[in-house]
Amino acid sequence: DSGVTQTPKHLITATGQRVTLRCSPRSGDLSVYWYQQSLDQGLQFLIQYYNGEERAKGNILERFSAQQFPDLHSELNLSSLELGDSALYFCASSGQVFNEQFFGPGTRLTVL
Amino acid sequence: GQQVMQIPQYQHVQEGEDFTTYCNSSTTLSNIQWYKQRPGGHPVFLIQLVKSGEVKKQKRLTFQFGEAKKNSSLHITATQTTDVGTYFCAGSASGGSYIPTFGRGTSLIVHP
Repeated sequence: DSGVTQTPKHLITATGQRVTLRCSPRSGDLSVYWYQQSLDQGLQFLIQYYNGEERAKGNILERFSAQQFPDLHSELNLSSLELGDSALYFCASSGQVFNEQFFGPGTRLTVL
Repeated sequence: GQQVMQIPQYQHVQEGEDFTTYCNSSTTLSNIQWYKQRPGGHPVFLIQLVKSGEVKKQKRLTFQFGEAKKNSSLHITATQTTDVGTYFCAGSASGGSYIPTFGRGTSLIVHP
C-alpha cells in the first residue's frame, strides 16, 4: 500500500460524457502527478500540482483539466470523452527524499 | 523534447536465468529512477541513481547509470517467478524540469 488513494477503481461511461477522478496523496506529500497508461502509449505524464498550484504540464488534452484543493487532494476532469480515452489513470505523489513517486492503485476508465 | 527509449519491450526467461533491461535517453539526465509494475498493479519505486557511473545493488538487482548520464540498465541475477512484471526507467532532464520521462517499459515473463 503506497498511501495514495484513488477513486473510483473502475468507471464505465459513454462517449461524450464527463467524469471526475479523485486522488488523495500520501500524508505530507505536497506534489500530485497524473498519468495516463494505455497499451499503445505507455505511461504518459499529464499534469503536476504542487501545494495547490499547477507546476508542470505534459501531454494533457484540452478536454482534460485538473486541480488540487487546499486539503491537497486532486481531481482530474475528463470531458467530451472519446473511445481513445479508455485507459488506466494513475495519480502519484512525491516522496520527500529522492522525489520518488508513489503511485495510487489507478482508475480504469472504459468509454463505450 | 526528451525521449527515453527502453529495450527490449518483452523478455521471456526460464527461472534461474539472468535478465537485463536497457534505458537510453536522448538528452543528459540529472537522475534516473526505476519502477516495477506487477500485472494488474501500479508502478512501485525501486531506486534512483544520480551520479555518473553509479552502481547500486538491491539483493539480486543491479542498477547502473552510464558515465555520460544518458543510459542506464537494470540487471536481475537468477530470476524468480516473483520478478514477473514490467520494469520502467524514468529520467529527469539535466537542467530542466524534474518531471521524469518514462520509458515504455520491459515486460519480464519468467517461466518456471
